Amino acid sequence: GAGVSQSPRYKVAKRGQDVALRCDPISGHVSLFWYQQALGQGPEFLTYFQNEAQLDKSGLPSDRFFAERPEGSVSTLKIQRTQQEDSAVYLCASSLVSSGTGGEQYFGPGTRLTVT
Amino acid sequence: SQKIEQNSEALNIQEGKTATLTCNYTNYSPAYLQWYRQDPGRGPVFLLLIRENEKEKRKERLKVTFDTTLKQSLFHITASQPADSATYLCALDAANAGKSTFGDGTTLTVKP
Repeated sequence: GAGVSQSPRYKVAKRGQDVALRCDPISGHVSLFWYQQALGQGPEFLTYFQNEAQLDKSGLPSDRFFAERPEGSVSTLKIQRTQQEDSAVYLCASSLVSSGTGGEQYFGPGTRLTVT
Repeated sequence: SQKIEQNSEALNIQEGKTATLTCNYTNYSPAYLQWYRQDPGRGPVFLLLIRENEKEKRKERLKVTFDTTLKQSLFHITASQPADSATYLCALDAANAGKSTFGDGTTLTVKP
């Protein structure tokens, strides 16, 4: 079956613009995660959904970052008034089981955001 | 604060040898630990998961150990091949927690 897909794969935004990044998880997966990955570093947790409920958003760096998963499947990460420090790869992952119960995560290819 | 350290940013070995990657952590009590492989321009791919009450896990040429006393996991690739060249990430998860905490990875290069 299809894996996790993300769109767009690449996004260039001028500083101050708003962007929306989309994630299509594997069908039936309960958990959905967003991570931010800077060059040469590991993924940094941003937020986690169990179905449509956002259970943890402790990793969102500021109130400019907002994520939603209204119907418990597709998720959107929105960044308002982008800044240069927002430039990174944004990874989405899904898991069949609830987080913290030992389920492997399936990652999408990521969206590379460049803020100029 | 919680900290995860993976040994040296880069590891170079000869084809056929065993690669050993290290993941050390502090100020953390993980319920389980995962290893992922990441190739350039791609998302991480899950390899192995080991729980806190398990000492060792194997999958084909891969072996993971988990020592909660030393707060360390070792990841071994036996009979390494050039195709094993990639960045390997360890990730820790607490029980019933929402997030995985990743290390910065070790880039393995296997030379023919």
